Amino acid sequence: DQQVKQNSPSLSVQEGRISILNCDYTNSMFDYFLWYKKYPAEGPTFLISISSIKDKNEDGRFTVFLNKSAKHLSLHIVPSQPGDSAVYFCAASDYGGSQGNLIFGKGTKLSVKP
Amino acid sequence: KAGVTQTPRYLIKTRGQQVTLSCSPISGHRSVSWYQQTPGQGLQFLFEYFSETQRNKGNFPGRFSGRQFSNSRSEMNVSTLELGDSALYLCASSISRATNEKLFFGSGTQLSVL
Repeated sequence: DQQVKQNSPSLSVQEGRISILNCDYTNSMFDYFLWYKKYPAEGPTFLISISSIKDKNEDGRFTVFLNKSAKHLSLHIVPSQPGDSAVYFCAASDYGGSQGNLIFGKGTKLSVKP
Repeated sequence: KAGVTQTPRYLIKTRGQQVTLSCSPISGHRSVSWYQQTPGQGLQFLFEYFSETQRNKGNFPGRFSGRQFSNSRSEMNVSTLELGDSALYLCASSISRATNEKLFFGSGTQLSVL
């Protein structure tokens, strides 16, 4: 069973427009969520995170929104740039519980066209 | 500060062989986690070590094992390789795996099993 789902394998956006990447989760015990970005031939790099006690966290062009009742989070990139083209992974954890590790989604490949 | 270093970068093995992958965490980081990335399954948690002790283990068969040394360097071993073990193996480190601590990933070892 997949506890973290990214239902869109790919997304194409025009440069300067907004990119919205979505993530759903099933485990209500998750209390911390992260987004990682991965370029080919490199390891994932941390982008932004959000605690379950918040519903929004912003860092420059990146904003993560959390809707706990819907078990849904989204990453907004505004404005999108060609350098943002990468695979984005959503991850969740229940550090306060027994898991103690990150559960990743399968990723969404974002292509930002000039 | 040097990042997470994984060696070798690429490996080609045949079915039935065994393989050992190495990971040197960021200096001062005591927690090392291993993940397997495949196109179909995304990133899946293998295990996590802290102070030479395995603290968490994912849902992988016993052919997958690991260890951590006193200098925090870690190795993972896969015995009796199967074709399905072909994947990118990623190592990540963090200071202590305390609550809400993000992971720093290496570039990975690409394993191909023929």
